[in-house]
Amino acid sequence: DSGVTQTPKHLITATGQRVTLRCSPRSGDLSVYWYQQSLDQGLQFLIQYYNGEERAKGNILERFSAQQFPDLHSELNLSSLELGDSALYFCASSVGGRDTQYFGPGTRLTVL
Amino acid sequence: AQTVTQSQPEMSVQEAETVTLSCTYDTSESDYYLFWYKQPPSRQMILVIRQEAYKQQNATENRFSVNFQKAAKSFSLKISDSQLGDAAMYFCAYRTPNSGNTPLVFGKGTRLSVIA
Repeated sequence: DSGVTQTPKHLITATGQRVTLRCSPRSGDLSVYWYQQSLDQGLQFLIQYYNGEERAKGNILERFSAQQFPDLHSELNLSSLELGDSALYFCASSVGGRDTQYFGPGTRLTVL
Repeated sequence: AQTVTQSQPEMSVQEAETVTLSCTYDTSESDYYLFWYKQPPSRQMILVIRQEAYKQQNATENRFSVNFQKAAKSFSLKISDSQLGDAAMYFCAYRTPNSGNTPLVFGKGTRLSVIA
């Protein structure tokens, strides 16, 4: 158990819908990262927050957004869902930018 | 942009034997970190081992060790005394510790099978 929690574990929804994925980092970690793992694209970085502020953006679509709250948990919002958004979404956390990232168990999103 | 290449999509090893997974990376940075993560069928991403580029000594964690060749930009993972529980996808990852931009860049992964 890495200490990073993610909810829900599984999510099944329809095209065009909007979902919210939630992540709670390890105690003491200030940085949260979101990654997407799909069969064709592999593991890709989406976005990073540090202590409530956005720090880096990767290949995140405009339909996707995220935020980190004062209690340091983070939410990833996915809207206007398409079939291609079906993937495993990981959250990872670290103490700071130079530290090892520990991953949560992931949320498996299926868009039908 | 940094890239990570794992040239072996699949590998297999007999139980109790040793196997080496390859990883190469491309970067112009001198300070960076390299990682191996394991993803078993449960899909959890588990850190196996970490190497700081400024350290010449190869990292070791129990049965797992790396061969870090900085000049060649090579970072292979050796698993000794392979066990059935080692069967998983293994991902090599790179990160540069620049402030404000420290995501992991992953290779495509190597699927390791362990034969009893």
